[in-house]
Amino acid sequence: LAKTTQPISMDSYEGQEVNITCSHNNIATNDYITWYQQFPSQGPRFIIQGYKTKVTNEVASLFIPADRKSSTLSLPRVSLSDTAVYYCLALSSNTGKLIFGQGTTLQVKP
Amino acid sequence: DAGITQSPRHKVTETGTPVTLRCHQTENHRYMYWYRQDPGHGLRLIHYSYGVKDTDKGEVSDGYSVSRSKTEDFLLTLESATSSQTSVYFCAIGIYEQYFGPGTRLTVT
Repeated sequence: LAKTTQPISMDSYEGQEVNITCSHNNIATNDYITWYQQFPSQGPRFIIQGYKTKVTNEVASLFIPADRKSSTLSLPRVSLSDTAVYYCLALSSNTGKLIFGQGTTLQVKP
Repeated sequence: DAGITQSPRHKVTETGTPVTLRCHQTENHRYMYWYRQDPGHGLRLIHYSYGVKDTDKGEVSDGYSVSRSKTEDFLLTLESATSSQTSVYFCAIGIYEQYFGPGTRLTVT
């Protein structure tokens, strides 16, 4: 199961687009990439998941290149309420086992 | 919100005592997970279950055991609690999109 590497922290300003990149060099064929958001004193909340190319939902986009060794979470026009920790993780569709990364603390400033 | 509860929500116990945490779901999900989260760290998988009586270890399973005798309940037991097991424990249900419980804050003195 692939371990993931993310930047420890990022800063942004309200209204900007934020891109958080995750590295997963040893990703396996059956692994999916999933992103979660976590606020203090709460459990993580699912944002988006993908296998290859681009996935978009109402809150984010996920870009995964053809080699799948990295992925980028894109948050359009962030607000102060998007200040949180964002986790990238690899999930094995064979076993259901997964490993959370260390997370990226995103600070959105006014 | 997904129907997932954890009990107790807070517990203080002494080193060497056994402790059992309960995760209960009303969503009939096949997969259930136990994680721990320490201050300033991400979540680490302890054990997970892919069906009744079907469980597997995560990355930090030493000192923990689990049981799942029915779909809705997944129990995590600290066989002999140690101070290093002081943490916040989260339960989650689902697989591709997981829903997390509110967490249990455990302090081992």
